[in-house]
Amino acid sequence: EIVLTQSPGTLSLSPGERAILSCRASQSVSSNYFAWYQQKPGQAPRLLIYGASSRATGIPDRFSGSGSGTDFTLSISRLEPEDFAVYYCQQYGSSPPVTFGGGTKVEIK
Amino acid sequence: EVQLVESGGGLVQPGGSLRLSCAASGFPFSRDWLHWVRQAPGKGPVWVSRITHDHRIHYADSVKGRFTVSRDNAKNTLYLQMNSLRAEDTAVYYCTREYYEIWDWGQGTLVTVSS
Repeated sequence: EIVLTQSPGTLSLSPGERAILSCRASQSVSSNYFAWYQQKPGQAPRLLIYGASSRATGIPDRFSGSGSGTDFTLSISRLEPEDFAVYYCQQYGSSPPVTFGGGTKVEIK
Repeated sequence: EVQLVESGGGLVQPGGSLRLSCAASGFPFSRDWLHWVRQAPGKGPVWVSRITHDHRIHYADSVKGRFTVSRDNAKNTLYLQMNSLRAEDTAVYYCTREYYEIWDWGQGTLVTVSS
């Protein structure tokens, strides 16, 4: 099973700042099957990035994904108030099982 | 528009059973792979099960032998039969569909296992 480790656990930033979130896999992951999600309280996860770097429909271009192999990054260029949430990475290339990271909470400083 | 609507959650005693349903619309249901993913309170998502378009099935080790996934392509509905439920099965259960690299999610149904 591929374990995904996200860092940091919590990111305290101000609106307008840049956020960089990391996800490291315990073994190489196919970039085609790597995704990032945003989740707000009481809501389902929302797909942001798929294929490691492609934005899902309707996702603003301040969100960008990069990486390959075992190291992946989600960047938010300028944080808007609605971006404060929990972010999860996911891999499903070697499924089953599909695995998710433990999450990074982006909170207002 | 893709829609996935879960139902069937609720409060059940340890050792009990529940059957979750997921009504799908807005896409060719029989074509796509479908998954159940659960999320315990305050925790991250955890994959539970997958059923492919040709009915190949896989389970997480934690539910193998207790949960059964199935699909009815005529009714555009995905099911999850959950038996021998434990406290650690308490979670919101999401129905998701995988189409190439895109995953769509329902809003989830809460399952609480408690005496």
